[in-house]
Amino acid sequence: QSALTQPHSVSGSPGQPVTISCTGTSSDVGYYNYVSWYQVHPGKAPKLMIYDVNKRPSGVPDRFSGSKSGNTASLTISGLQAEDEADYYCSSFAGSYIVFGTGTTVPV
Amino acid sequence: QVQLVEAGGGVVQPGRSLTLSCVASGFTFNRHGINWVRQAPGKGLEWVAGIWYDGSRTIYADSVQGRFTISRDDSKNTAYLQMNSLRADDTAVYYCARDISYGAFDHWGQGTTVTVSS
Repeated sequence: QSALTQPHSVSGSPGQPVTISCTGTSSDVGYYNYVSWYQVHPGKAPKLMIYDVNKRPSGVPDRFSGSKSGNTASLTISGLQAEDEADYYCSSFAGSYIVFGTGTTVPV
Repeated sequence: QVQLVEAGGGVVQPGRSLTLSCVASGFTFNRHGINWVRQAPGKGLEWVAGIWYDGSRTIYADSVQGRFTISRDDSKNTAYLQMNSLRADDTAVYYCARDISYGAFDHWGQGTTVTVSS
């Protein structure tokens, strides 16, 4: 049950695209199409941004998108906005457990 | 509206037990799995345990397997996390969350803080 690997920080300017990677193994990300992404602001509960690799819950802006290739999933913010400054975590279902990523800070 | 409210956190000595509760409202409780996720001070999110919508299956992180037990009482719209043999590294904010797919948690509680210290 090792944590999924994310970059510690990904920087971007307002309006520019940003992509966060999430690398797992053939037992989690590579096997199941159940990757989710969460946005976490300090002191707040996480917010679901993407689930099932590329599905967006209602209310999540369409500038957020998800994808997967092999053992690596990605979250893309197509045009960074000030309110997107937060920590982002990926997660994957792995059959008998769920594992989160190490987390990525996105400063704007 | 969907609401999840955790309770039961506090300060507890190492080796002791604590039970957290998660009271749900605003949705049909027995149609959703419930999971517990924790965040230690200054650390990332860690999934702890999950229970299927019908209670038929429970899953645990290796770090709590054998010490924690997740359960649910649909008549009370409540999920529980019984925590035994608590250790200092169990200190964290504990969140309960509703799932909409495997590992996808669309609503979260506000969290309850557990501090394990002598």
